[in-house]
Amino acid sequence: SQQGEEDPQALSIQEGENATMNCSYKTSINNLQWYRQNSGRGLVHLILIRSNEREKHSGRLRVTLDTSKKSSSLLITASRAADTASYFCATDEAAGNKLTFGGGTRVLVKP
Amino acid sequence: GAVVSQHPSRVICKSGTSVKIECRSLDFQATTMFWYRQFPKQSLMLMATSNEGSKATYEQGVEKDKFLINHASLTLSTLTVTSAHPEDSSFYICSARDPAPGFSFSYNSPLHFGNGTRLTVT
Repeated sequence: SQQGEEDPQALSIQEGENATMNCSYKTSINNLQWYRQNSGRGLVHLILIRSNEREKHSGRLRVTLDTSKKSSSLLITASRAADTASYFCATDEAAGNKLTFGGGTRVLVKP
Repeated sequence: GAVVSQHPSRVICKSGTSVKIECRSLDFQATTMFWYRQFPKQSLMLMATSNEGSKATYEQGVEKDKFLINHASLTLSTLTVTSAHPEDSSFYICSARDPAPGFSFSYNSPLHFGNGTRLTVT
């Protein structure tokens, strides 16, 4: 089974609204990362939050991490049509040098 | 910023032939690269970790004789899909870590991804 499980699987919102997606994981982690993927392309790193951090901001992105619940959330504020993409969380596990990706959330921002 | 170049972006081949995919780190050295496979509307599945100068580490269930990985230099890893079959059709993506400033150890740094290779086996 996947380390990271994301919900919702898909999200459709109007431009200007906020988009929130959640990620849960199972094992101890060094950090958790969020990536964006446009259709048919590679992934682009958005933000990394370390296991000793609780919240992090980058532009219109806000990420939270709750290690007691093994969960994270990504909030995109004031969404734009250009934010339409799939968003993946990835956990950098404490044991091992690899990232494990969640199932992803497909976000559609309607103009 | 760190750039990973992957080539080709698309390839169509006949069943039984082999296909080589290249992954290059353009402005940094990568002792480790990662190969992922992605099915439509699904997540990325790690296939193997490519280590410069040594054998690749394959994930459980991935056939190492089918997916040959060579990491001959600090900037190049290749994935060869041997004797390809239609079920090997997929999107293959490589990535590498760049130990960016501020990260005390390479595994805390984010991954930089190539743009992927769409393989279609007919």
